[in-house]
Amino acid sequence: KAGVTQTPRYLIKTRGQQVTLSCSPISGHRSVSWYQQTPGQGLQFLFEYFSETQRNKGNFPGRFSGRQFSNSRSEMNVSTLELGDSALYLCASSLAASGIYEQFFGPGTRLTVL
Amino acid sequence: AQKVTQAQTEISVVEKEDVTLDCVYETRDTTYYLFWYKQPPSGELVFLIRRNSFDEQNEISGRYSWNFQKSTSSFNFTITASQVVDSAVYFCALSGGVSGGYQKVTFGTGTKLQVIP
Repeated sequence: KAGVTQTPRYLIKTRGQQVTLSCSPISGHRSVSWYQQTPGQGLQFLFEYFSETQRNKGNFPGRFSGRQFSNSRSEMNVSTLELGDSALYLCASSLAASGIYEQFFGPGTRLTVL
Repeated sequence: AQKVTQAQTEISVVEKEDVTLDCVYETRDTTYYLFWYKQPPSGELVFLIRRNSFDEQNEISGRYSWNFQKSTSSFNFTITASQVVDSAVYFCALSGGVSGGYQKVTFGTGTKLQVIP
C-alpha cells in the first residue's frame, strides 16, 4: 500500500507570492489533516478535511486555505507569503476522524520564503 | 482548551539504558484520545500508540511501554534497553470530543532523544 505522498518536496518562494501544496492520502483514507512544523512552534494544526468538507481549523490567518477533492486528495494554499511561513508542511491521512484514528504522515514539503 | 506538555526538550542516554519520556495533558473533555508519534531523523512521523480515556491499562510492546494515569493527567512512554535506532523526536498528542466528533489533534513540543553508542 502506497504511503502519503506530498508534492513538491521543496519549494522556495519570495514574500508576497502564493503557493499551493499537494497531498495524496493513503488509498481508502477519507481524512486529510495539514500541520505546520517549525523549530520554534513545533507541530501546529492547520486544518482537517473529510469527504471534501473542512471539519476543523487551527489558529492560522485566512491566508492559509485548503480543499479536498472527491478522490480525497488535498491541497493547501498560502497566499501573500511572509518570511514566517517558512516551515515544513506536513500532511497526514487517517481512515476517518484524525482525532480518533492513527494518522499516517507524509514526508512533508519544505517551504522557504525569502 | 487542550494542552500537551512535554517538559523534557532533549534527553541523552547511553545505549542499553532505560529512558522515560514524560507527557502531561490538559483537557476538559471526558472522552479523549492520547497518542505517541516518533519522528526519526529521516523526518516522517510514525504512529506508535493510541489510548482512549476509558482505557487506563498500561501497554507494553517489545521494548516500549506506556503508563497512562488519569489521576495525574499523564501518559508517559518508556523505552527499555535503548538502542541507537531509538534516536528521534517523540511527540505526545491529544484529541478531545465525543466519539465521532472532529476534534483537532494537539501535539506537544516533542522530546528529542539521543541514544549514544
